[in-house]
Amino acid sequence: EAGVAQSPRYKIIEKRQSVAFWCNPISGHATLYWYQQILGQGPKLLIQFQNNGVVDDSQLPKDRFSAERLKGVDSTLKIQPAKLEDSAVYLCASSPDGQNTEAFFGQGTRLTVV
Amino acid sequence: GNSVTQMEGPVTLSEEAFLTINCTYTATGYPSLFWYVQYPGEGLQLLLKATKADDKGSNKGFEATYRKETTSFHLEKGSVQVSDSAVYFCALRQGAQKLVFGQGTRLTINP
Repeated sequence: EAGVAQSPRYKIIEKRQSVAFWCNPISGHATLYWYQQILGQGPKLLIQFQNNGVVDDSQLPKDRFSAERLKGVDSTLKIQPAKLEDSAVYLCASSPDGQNTEAFFGQGTRLTVV
Repeated sequence: GNSVTQMEGPVTLSEEAFLTINCTYTATGYPSLFWYVQYPGEGLQLLLKATKADDKGSNKGFEATYRKETTSFHLEKGSVQVSDSAVYFCALRQGAQKLVFGQGTRLTINP
C-alpha cells in the first residue's frame, strides 16, 4: 500500500514570498491533516479535512495560510506571504474512517524562510 | 481541551539499558493513545497504540500500557539499541478529532 506522498521535500524562500505544498493521502482515507512542526516541538495541527470539508482550522493563521482539498483527495497548503517564523517542517497525514484511528504521515516538507 | 505531557529530554542511555519515557494525558472522554517515532530526516511513524483502558500496545520490543487511573501511557523497552536513537512522541486522539501530540523526547543511545 502506498503511503502519504508529499512534495517538495525541501524549500527555501525569502520572506514575503509565497510557497505551496502538495499532499496525496493514502487511497480511501477520508481524513487529511496538515501539521506544522517547529524544530524541537511536537506537531501542531493547522487544518483537518473530512473528505473535502474542513473539520478544524482553529489554529490556521488565515491571514497568510490557506489550504484546500478538491475532490476529497489531494490537498495543497499555501503560505502567502511567508514570514521567518514559518520556518518549520510541514507534515501531511491521513486517517481511515472510524473513531480514534491512527494517522499515517508523509515525510514532510522542510521550509526555510530567509 | 485535550493535552499530552511528556518527560523532558534529551535522554541519553548506554546500549542494553532499560528505557522509560513518561507520558500523561488530559482528556474529557476515552481517547486512543499512541506512540510515534521520528528518525532523523524522516516523517512520523506509528510505533504502537492502545485503544482502551488496560490495553498494552507493543512493537519492536517497546511496550506501553493505557492506565486510565493515572492517565498515563509510559513507553518502556527492556534493552535499547543504538538504532533506537530518535525522537519519540506521545499522542492521543478522541473520536474524529485531531491527533494531539506531546512535545517529544529525544533519545540517544551510546554504544
